[in-house]
Amino acid sequence: DTAVSQTPKYLVTQMGNDKSIKCEQNLGHDTMYWYKQDSKKFLKIMFSYNNKELIINETVPNRFSPKSPDKAHLNLHINSLELGDSAVYFCASSQTGGRQPQHFGDGTRLSIL
Amino acid sequence: RKEVEQDPGPFNVPEGATVAFNCTYSNSASQSFFWYRQDCRKEPKLLMSVYSSGNEDGRFTAQLNRASQYISLLIRDSKLSDSATYLCVVNNDKIIFGKGTRLHILP
Repeated sequence: DTAVSQTPKYLVTQMGNDKSIKCEQNLGHDTMYWYKQDSKKFLKIMFSYNNKELIINETVPNRFSPKSPDKAHLNLHINSLELGDSAVYFCASSQTGGRQPQHFGDGTRLSIL
Repeated sequence: RKEVEQDPGPFNVPEGATVAFNCTYSNSASQSFFWYRQDCRKEPKLLMSVYSSGNEDGRFTAQLNRASQYISLLIRDSKLSDSATYLCVVNNDKIIFGKGTRLHILP
């Protein structure tokens, strides 16, 4: 059983394109997150949603727009992709906000040509 | 002082040895703490939560020192499979990951 699944696993695209990454969790958690891990391996939170509502929105360009249709899904849409967007994007979920441990998806490796 | 700080390593340790590393945090109001491990090109996976009273899981022991504002991870009888990056996580209503400590267990 896949607890947190994200698609696609690899995404190679050209600068300027618009792309989406999908995430679903079947753990019954009420909080979901998007993280970015860059080439220096630093893992940084981008967004957090609790019961479909945005609760954390770190300093992220507004080209990045998360959407949560229900508490089991949190998708990430990126407009006008730039070279600096190349990274691994991880989705995660947890129960009852951030005091509980998070479970991560296996990442989406985004490469901008 | 950085919000969460870890020695990046790498720690090169012979198999069977004991290794320990710390993670310091700046916000004294931090409420929950975790250790994760991340293998190369994989997602972070929870290793253990860190409780005020300390906790142990097999060869792994985690401790919290609130007075000095650090958490520690001790690995006894290290195995080759322990080679990974170990990330500490501090939560004070803001989730902060450390940059990780790389551990290489040498045969």
